Amino acid sequence: LAKTTQPISMDSYEGQEVNITCSHNNIATNDYITWYQQFPSQGPRFIIQGYKTKVTNEVASLFIPADRKSSTLSLPRVSLSDTAVYYCLVGDRGSNYQLIWGAGTKLIIKP
Amino acid sequence: ETGVTQTPRHLVMGMTNKKSLKCEQHLGHNAMYWYKQSAKKPLELMFVYSLEERVENNSVPSRFSPECPNSSHLFLHLHTLQPEDSALYLCASSQESRSNQPQHFGDGTRLSIL
Repeated sequence: LAKTTQPISMDSYEGQEVNITCSHNNIATNDYITWYQQFPSQGPRFIIQGYKTKVTNEVASLFIPADRKSSTLSLPRVSLSDTAVYYCLVGDRGSNYQLIWGAGTKLIIKP
Repeated sequence: ETGVTQTPRHLVMGMTNKKSLKCEQHLGHNAMYWYKQSAKKPLELMFVYSLEERVENNSVPSRFSPECPNSSHLFLHLHTLQPEDSALYLCASSQESRSNQPQHFGDGTRLSIL
């Protein structure tokens, strides 16, 4: 099972682009990469998921290099409401419940 | 609104009490999960149900007893809990347990054991 490593915390300012990088050196061929966002007193919310190259949706982009040993979540033009904990997970396509949750990255956006 | 509703949102109980946590999903999913989230610790997967059948039990103490009467409802029965069981208990669902489709989480039950 692939383990992930993320920075414990990050600070940024409103209007900036924020990039959070996650390392997953022992990612397997069948593993996909998923990012969740969690606000205090709420459950995690799905942000984006990818397998390789680049994925973009209405809230974020996910960049995955060719070796897939890391991935970067990119949040464009952040606002104060983006202050949250962000989790990177790596898991096998065939087993949703073997995902390993790390400590996440606490992102604080300042005015 | 995530489509997954948990009740109660807060629960305080003594170590000798018996209580139950309830989870309901309105997404038509076939898999449901219980997680425990303690302060400063990662989410810990407790139980997984697929089509009302338990498919995973991650060495959870027997004082936690899950029940899945149908694919939309999941319960966690609690009895004789310990202070270290105080945590946020999260329920989630996904289309299938053996898939890469995202999990949808409820907002949890904050449990405090006196």
